[in-house]
Amino acid sequence: RKEVEQDPGPFNVPEGATVAFNCTYSNSASQSFFWYRQDCRKEPKLLMSVYSSGNEDGRFTAQLNRASQYISLLIRDSKLSDSATYLCAVNGRGRTDSWGKFQFGAGTQVVVTP
Amino acid sequence: GAVVSQHPSRVICKSGTSVKIECRSLDFQATTMFWYRQFPKQSLMLMATSNEGSKATYEQGVEKDKFLINHASLTLSTLTVTSAHPEDSSFYICSAYDTYTEAFFGQGTRLTVV
Repeated sequence: RKEVEQDPGPFNVPEGATVAFNCTYSNSASQSFFWYRQDCRKEPKLLMSVYSSGNEDGRFTAQLNRASQYISLLIRDSKLSDSATYLCAVNGRGRTDSWGKFQFGAGTQVVVTP
Repeated sequence: GAVVSQHPSRVICKSGTSVKIECRSLDFQATTMFWYRQFPKQSLMLMATSNEGSKATYEQGVEKDKFLINHASLTLSTLTVTSAHPEDSSFYICSAYDTYTEAFFGQGTRLTVV
């Protein structure tokens, strides 16, 4: 089983709609969680950190469910510019891993259509 | 924000030759940098952890004699792909962090071995 798993999609979303997807992780000692956005052939860019209490940044909401070991990302009022691949990243700092040493999911592709 | 610069962004080389990729932290010192590799439609896979002034730590399955890492200063880590073969063609990307809040990625290097 992979340490971090995501539904590859694609999620085809009409402009203005809401889309949500999850990322599961296997290491229960994982301490930090992030969502990154990656455009085709570009480097990943941090979208948001995921806190235990959940957090919201504009149209984006991230949640953490430690009991079920997954994080989620919800995008409201989708824009065409939201089309990208969304990578979840998990840092297993509790296992003496260095900060910044991430395990990434393979990414969920989101395609927002007019 | 902190910037990590990676060079070159794209390289094509002949099979059997070596290629060096540079990763620089431009406005902060990075004692640790990370090298990832990403094949099409797959996740970023951590290859190695680069430590300034000491030997790199390689992930399981990564050949340390093939992927030479040098972290000679607090702002520069290099990855040399030795005796490259077509199967080494991939997207290589480095990351570094300046605080305990965010890791920054270089722009990535697309290596094509012909």
